[in-house]
Amino acid sequence: EAGVTQFPSHSVIEKGQTVTLRCDPISGHDNLYWYRRVMGKEIKFLLHFVKESKQDESGMPNNRFLAERTGGTYSTLKVQPAELEDSGVYFCASSQASWGYGYTFGSGTRLTVV
Amino acid sequence: AQSVTQPDIHITVSEGASLELRCNYSYGATPYLFWYVQSPGQGLQLLLKYFSGDTLVQGIKGFEAEFKRSQSSFNLRKPSVHWSDAAEYFCAVGAGYSTLTFGKGTMLLVSP
Repeated sequence: EAGVTQFPSHSVIEKGQTVTLRCDPISGHDNLYWYRRVMGKEIKFLLHFVKESKQDESGMPNNRFLAERTGGTYSTLKVQPAELEDSGVYFCASSQASWGYGYTFGSGTRLTVV
Repeated sequence: AQSVTQPDIHITVSEGASLELRCNYSYGATPYLFWYVQSPGQGLQLLLKYFSGDTLVQGIKGFEAEFKRSQSSFNLRKPSVHWSDAAEYFCAVGAGYSTLTFGKGTMLLVSP
């Protein structure tokens, strides 16, 4: 079974530009999560999709971040315009059940805003 | 609000020596507790989890953790560390519907 795939693995962009991160969950997993780790800090929850619907987006930092999951398959996380403080590693995870924290994490996208 | 504290940012252990990584949590209800490991270039991998029952939990790769309610702790242990265990380790508490609150992580270095 293929795991959770994220790309790109690394992205370096200038402040003010737009970046789109993509996550392909494990096939059949209705639940998809985004987390972020800013350097030196904790990994923090951003949002949770159930199929194509946003179940919980309480962790989204501001309206420069837009997450979508069209058709309930892959998800994108767009940052527009990017700021320096957006630098970090963005993790995606998926699970079959909505309860029980049975996540499988991807290897993350390292975003650097310069 | 829930929180997780991993007091050690870095730990260096000799290969073959025992390991204990500390984790303290703050959570108002019965916690769901987890340890994850991230090796370079890899995703977060679940080592073990505690939901209820026996407070000593066995995980993969020879790791175990003990839940101590009185100390609000969930320390990770391994009797003999291998060089391949060098990685970053994260303690987490399950909160709300299905989201996790993580600690800052502990980087484990293994010396020959």
